[in-house]
Amino acid sequence: EDQVTQSPEALRLQEGESSSLNCSYTVSGLRGLFWYRQDPGKGPEFLFTLYSAGEEKEKERLKATLTKKESFLHITAPKPEDSATYLCAVRGGPGGATNKLIFGTGTLLAVQP
Amino acid sequence: DAGVIQSPRHEVTEMGQEVTLRCKPISGHNSLFWYRQTMMRGLELLIYFNNNVPIDDSGMPEDRFSAKMPNASFSTLKIQPSEPRDSAVYFCASSSPGSPLHFGNGTRLTVT
Repeated sequence: EDQVTQSPEALRLQEGESSSLNCSYTVSGLRGLFWYRQDPGKGPEFLFTLYSAGEEKEKERLKATLTKKESFLHITAPKPEDSATYLCAVRGGPGGATNKLIFGTGTLLAVQP
Repeated sequence: DAGVIQSPRHEVTEMGQEVTLRCKPISGHNSLFWYRQTMMRGLELLIYFNNNVPIDDSGMPEDRFSAKMPNASFSTLKIQPSEPRDSAVYFCASSSPGSPLHFGNGTRLTVT
């Protein structure tokens, strides 16, 4: 069964204090690992897709990396506006019509000024 | 692009009542997904459609839940009868082949 585990559940950082969020996954035939950001009262907002081990993607202060068992979301010199819940999801199984994502329970990040 | 549109944003109802949640996907997207989010279980996939056809409804918790997609621009999720444990935020998302899911802002359901 496909499974996604995120850690830590919650993280509090001072502004400028860099850190990383972890996403461990078990999936039969990875066809994409996704990172989303979710603000209170809103739906998840897409950040990155990674497809193969060794791949990296960057956007402003965020960088996502992927290995065969886990992904990291590195946050460099975070600002208070980076505070949100970060969700990881995987798409697995055989190719074709299926496009469903299995989500982890997220990491709640709070960045204090 | 207006994004995925869900209505209502909030729904408060009494146990036993019927609840209907609505979703308009992004134009051109051919996959539509209904997710439920709770503190305990996170985001759970309930059902998804491809080209208006239900593909996987294994996440629908009970027969009280049903979903329809009569055309490419509209879908409903119905709960009849509703129970307090159905209280959650329900999200609709849509995508096109190979693209990420785009989510609406959800419907917060409270069943008293």
